[in-house]
Amino acid sequence: DVKVTQSSRYLVKRTGEKVFLECVQDMDHENMFWYRQDPGLGLRLIYFSYDVKMKEKGDIPEGYSVSREKKERFSLILESASTNQTSMYLCASRRGRGELFFGEGSRLTVL
Amino acid sequence: AQSVTQLGSHVSVSEGALVLLRCNYSSSVPPYLFWYVQYPNQGLQLLLKYTSAATLVKGINGFEAEFKKSETSFHLTKPSAHMSDAAEYFCAVSESSGSARQLTFGSGTQLTVLP
Repeated sequence: DVKVTQSSRYLVKRTGEKVFLECVQDMDHENMFWYRQDPGLGLRLIYFSYDVKMKEKGDIPEGYSVSREKKERFSLILESASTNQTSMYLCASRRGRGELFFGEGSRLTVL
Repeated sequence: AQSVTQLGSHVSVSEGALVLLRCNYSSSVPPYLFWYVQYPNQGLQLLLKYTSAATLVKGINGFEAEFKKSETSFHLTKPSAHMSDAAEYFCAVSESSGSARQLTFGSGTQLTVLP
């Protein structure tokens, strides 16, 4: 069964902390994505990667960075967490122009 | 550029009634279109997809959607709602060619099923 695994389902962090959200996929997909989901705003693309060490900004990259050192792993980094980054974060992967496969999500609360 | 509009952020239907969730898109090239469902505190699960084959697409759980190019629509339907259909539904568009690799999502429709 194909799978996208996000390392943490729930996190609570303090303002100013550095936060790592990890995502691993086992489908050998070249494309990986990080979305943020907030009520009434749908899913907004933060960053995506189409190959190892390659990345592109999405619609809301400010305050975030990403890392893709291996094909199966895509990390989202919040260098200094702020309260307005409290949200649900969804990782997804995709082969070519096929459908996205999503992880279960990571719900981050920044106090 | 591509965009998606889902009409109605909340839709309520009675159990056994028709479900109709609306989605309109814009895309500068022929699109691929997707419907996803999300249950509370879970990720998104693919319901169905249109990738330029048959315009009427059947998906899981009895859902189907029809691609209408002239109306730029891809509405999701189910003949008879079940309590387990209560969830949030997202329509998404992707370009079928060109350099863009991402999907663009609508803002979602929360479906409530009344007993």
